[in-house]
Amino acid sequence: LAKTTQPISMDSYEGQEVNITCSHNNIATNDYITWYQQFPSQGPRFIIQGYKTKVTNEVASLFIPADRKSSTLSLPRVSLSDTAVYYCLVAGAGSYQLTFGKGTKLSVIP
Amino acid sequence: DGGITQSPKYLFRKEGQNVTLSCEQNLNHDAMYWYRQDPGQGLRLIYYSQIVNDFQKGDIAEGYSVSREKKESFPLTVTSAQKNPTAFYLCASAPSRVGYEQYFGPGTRLTVT
Repeated sequence: LAKTTQPISMDSYEGQEVNITCSHNNIATNDYITWYQQFPSQGPRFIIQGYKTKVTNEVASLFIPADRKSSTLSLPRVSLSDTAVYYCLVAGAGSYQLTFGKGTKLSVIP
Repeated sequence: DGGITQSPKYLFRKEGQNVTLSCEQNLNHDAMYWYRQDPGQGLRLIYYSQIVNDFQKGDIAEGYSVSREKKESFPLTVTSAQKNPTAFYLCASAPSRVGYEQYFGPGTRLTVT
């Protein structure tokens, strides 16, 4: 399982775009990159997943450079309700084991 | 209304007692998982099951046991052998072969005194 490194915490003002970068230097060819969001005392929620280049859905974008050794989760115009812990995970398609690190605690300030 | 349910939300037990945490899903998912989360930490995998009547140990299985007699249910028993059982327990499920997209339940917070 590829190890990931991400900042422990980040602060942002409401309405700003937030970019959280995750490093995964030993990512394997068949690994996908997945991001989860967790609010206090709740289970994590799947946000977005990608393999290369850019993926966008209704809540976020995921940017993956050509070497795939890092990825950036982009949250457009954050609100107070985006205050949460964000986890970056790397796992092979069909993998049954996911490794959750400590994640990045995002605090959105009014 | 599909999803994963865990009960109860809060559970209190005396040290030395076994306790079973419930996890039920109606998503028709093959794979189910149990994680433990301690304050300020990430999730650690306890057990997982890919199909009925089969399960595998995760990273911290000691002191825990599971069963998978039905596709919908994956109960976790915290035994008296688990030295630090107080934690937030999360159950998840995933469609077979798409393990990286897991659906989590609301969690059970277990306190043992």
